[in-house]
Amino acid sequence: GAGVSQTPSNKVTEKGKYVELRCDPISGHTALYWYRQSLGQGPEFLIYFQGTGAADDSGLPNDRFFAVRPEGSVSTLKIQRTERGDSAVYLCASSLGGTANYEQYFGPGTRLTVT
Amino acid sequence: GEDVEQSLFLSVREGDSSVINCTYTDSSSTYLYWYKQEPGAGLQLLTYIFSNMDMKQDQRLTVLLNKKDKHLSLRIADTQTGDSAIYFCAEKDSSASKIIFGSGTRLSIRP
Repeated sequence: GAGVSQTPSNKVTEKGKYVELRCDPISGHTALYWYRQSLGQGPEFLIYFQGTGAADDSGLPNDRFFAVRPEGSVSTLKIQRTERGDSAVYLCASSLGGTANYEQYFGPGTRLTVT
Repeated sequence: GEDVEQSLFLSVREGDSSVINCTYTDSSSTYLYWYKQEPGAGLQLLTYIFSNMDMKQDQRLTVLLNKKDKHLSLRIADTQTGDSAIYFCAEKDSSASKIIFGSGTRLSIRP
């Protein structure tokens, strides 16, 4: 079946602009996660949704970052007033949720470059 | 806080076994993972082990867990050129939502 998909695959934006990154999870997966991977590092957790609600947003670095999942499926990560330090690959993952949420399946990521 | 450490590079000859090592600090880790990332590709879940196990074998892959020393290893038998990638060790507490990743070990294969 189809895996996690993310769009766009690449995004170049100017410092100070607003960007939206989209994630389409595996069908039937109720849990959705956003991670950020900087160059040479492993992914770092940003936020976790169970259904429509953000169950854990402890990884969001500051209030410029926000994510939504209004219908419990597709999620959008929104970054306001982008800074060069926001440049990274943004990864989305999904899992069945509940007791099975240890198996997180990752999408290909969106590479964000802030110039 | 939680931390996962692994060496940055490993070079092995094609056909030999590769062993990638990892240490972690969270004693309440319930799940331990190995993910593979190829250039330009996403993270692929290779295998995982529960903390109440000490070994898991899956075809060419063998995972060993020493819970006392908080040490995890991944052995790839008969390493092939297609195994060239970055391998991430990771852990998760059963009560947590996030997976904690190491910085990755870049495996290169020489002929």
